[in-house]
Amino acid sequence: DGGITQSPKYLFRKEGQNVTLSCEQNLNHDAMYWYRQDPGQGLRLIYYSQIVNDFQKGDIAEGYSVSREKKESFPLTVTSAQKNPTAFYLCASSIVLPGLAGGKETQYFGPGTRLLVL
Amino acid sequence: AQKVTQAQTEISVVEKEDVTLDCVYETRDTTYYLFWYKQPPSGELVFLIRRNSFDEQNEISGRYSWNFQKSTSSFNFTITASQVVDSAVYFCALSSGNTGKLIFGQGTTLQVKP
Repeated sequence: DGGITQSPKYLFRKEGQNVTLSCEQNLNHDAMYWYRQDPGQGLRLIYYSQIVNDFQKGDIAEGYSVSREKKESFPLTVTSAQKNPTAFYLCASSIVLPGLAGGKETQYFGPGTRLLVL
Repeated sequence: AQKVTQAQTEISVVEKEDVTLDCVYETRDTTYYLFWYKQPPSGELVFLIRRNSFDEQNEISGRYSWNFQKSTSSFNFTITASQVVDSAVYFCALSSGNTGKLIFGQGTTLQVKP
């Protein structure tokens, strides 16, 4: 079945530790996104990538890093510089249409990863 | 500035009641898209609808309907004859420009009681 997978479902981070959240999609989508959701709030964009080997910062990129070496994969690393990492992290993907239509396609989301700090 | 406001934080209804979730947006762009997503307790966001700024036709899908009014910058969502399975958090979102960035509202938690 086509879809987006995220692992692990739960992740625990110790102080000063970097952790990596996995996001894989087999939808053949060009664009992938990482969002953070805090309790009672909407989602905020961390990073996005519209093509392999290229990515851009979103609204809250500080303390996070990403890579896009393969079309199917967009891992997110939460570094020790992120002082408040406890949140629900959601990965999404979409097709990319050329020209003015680009960027407005439907994003489909994975099941999410809950990150907790020990 | 782009913004989405869902003024209703929580709504509680009894099964079979109709319920409307409000969404008001702000954008200076003339071309934009609006979305509704459902987030059940499992956490995954489920896509419900996408509407572009040039199409103000209302849409109905089963018990779900959407009312898009550019004059009031609103994109409201109505569930007719609500069911317990409709209990979830519902998000309205806005996309404009070519980055694909979605601007989300704070979400409305809907509780449907049997």
